[in-house]
Amino acid sequence: GENVEQHPSTLSVQEGDSAVIKCTYSDSASNYFPWYKQELGKGPQLIIDIRSNVGEKKDQRIAVTLNKTAKHFSLHITETQPEDSAVYFCAASPNTGNQFYFGTGTSLTVIP
Amino acid sequence: NAGVTQTPKFRVLKTGQSMTLLCAQDMNHEYMYWYRQDPGMGLRLIHYSVGEGTTAKGEVPDGYNVSRLKKQNFLLGLESAAPSQTSVYFCASIPGQRFYGYTFGSGTRLTVV
Repeated sequence: GENVEQHPSTLSVQEGDSAVIKCTYSDSASNYFPWYKQELGKGPQLIIDIRSNVGEKKDQRIAVTLNKTAKHFSLHITETQPEDSAVYFCAASPNTGNQFYFGTGTSLTVIP
Repeated sequence: NAGVTQTPKFRVLKTGQSMTLLCAQDMNHEYMYWYRQDPGMGLRLIHYSVGEGTTAKGEVPDGYNVSRLKKQNFLLGLESAAPSQTSVYFCASIPGQRFYGYTFGSGTRLTVV
């Protein structure tokens, strides 16, 4: 099955700096890659996603890039704010259906 | 619109007890899922359903059973709880078409003592 690895596990940045979280996947059939943000005590929320026919997608301060050849994708958050502090999960979905395989999460702390 | 609602939010069980976790969605989604979340292990799929009356095993199904008698509800059962089942459980759903991210519930924190 699909195996998703996520790095780093923890990340601290100063407010206003950028944050980058990286994921790799193993199944070349994976073609949909969502990212989730989980705040303390809440369920994960979808923040951005990318399909395999697209190399980059932006939504205001967040962007995701995908390198299909290398099988890795990254989340970029610019101009970080304290409210960006949360755990972020990447996921990959192969052609076997609408199942998602998750990375182990990155705990992001934005220091005011 | 409530989205995905999980009950209960917290529960403490003794080893060997049984319980049922309820997930209800009001978005008319076809697919529903149960995940468990453990520190350092991310989210792992327990069971899922691609429609009313159907269920399938995920990555970690042992010790759990599920039922989807109605489209809007997906139940997760623990017949004989074990301390290894202490976890946070999340239910999720999607419409059924590809390229949709999950809508998650807010979770159930279960402790088995």
